Amino acid sequence: QVQLVESGGGVVQPGRSLRLSCAASGFAFSTYGMHWVRQAPGKGLEWVAVMSFDGSNKYYADSVKGRFTISRDNPKNTLYLQLNSLRAEDTAVYYCAKKLPSGVEAAPDYWGQGTLVTVSS
Amino acid sequence: QSALTQPRSVSGSPGQSVTISCTGTSSDVGGYNYVSWYQQHPGKAPKLMIYDVSKRPSGVPDRFSGSKSGNTASLTISGLQADDEADYYCCSYAGRYTWVFGGGTKLTVL
Repeated sequence: QVQLVESGGGVVQPGRSLRLSCAASGFAFSTYGMHWVRQAPGKGLEWVAVMSFDGSNKYYADSVKGRFTISRDNPKNTLYLQLNSLRAEDTAVYYCAKKLPSGVEAAPDYWGQGTLVTVSS
Repeated sequence: QSALTQPRSVSGSPGQSVTISCTGTSSDVGGYNYVSWYQQHPGKAPKLMIYDVSKRPSGVPDRFSGSKSGNTASLTISGLQADDEADYYCCSYAGRYTWVFGGGTKLTVL
């Protein structure tokens, strides 16, 4: 079955960096696009970034553009999110999610359990 | 990339039906047939319930159904059960390879 396991979260000071990882198993990782979605404590879901199956295309929400970078290592079945210049408002649980197979407009289907990032001095 | 509008809360008794609305614009909900719905229990990851407006993934009961009219999508849950109590989020493709979520709706089963 599809499994997605995020790691790398923690407490970080404003302005610092963090790299999140998402280990995938149970499906052909190299053939699916992947999303990152976050959820601030007690708040709703916010789409963050998406990457195509081969890493050739990546797109971001305006709120993170220029600060966050999505990447993937297909031989390692792993998705990454590099978070730079972190702000207090980036505090959230970060989920990686597999894209539905239905095309470029495909939303997430399977989600990991998330990793908490807390930005605080 | 403004969030889609959902009611903060809805409620219903076991066995009844409830409908959750999700209002966007012609740039997202109204412009594409790529609306999905997610169920999230406290402390858990979201679970896909409906995709492409009205399609159900395998394993999701047919008590869950989706529809869309203009800029508003809807999720209907019939035959409410206690375990349906959760937060529900809509999501729409918003063009130029971006997606937008709704603010979420808390469903209470009375």
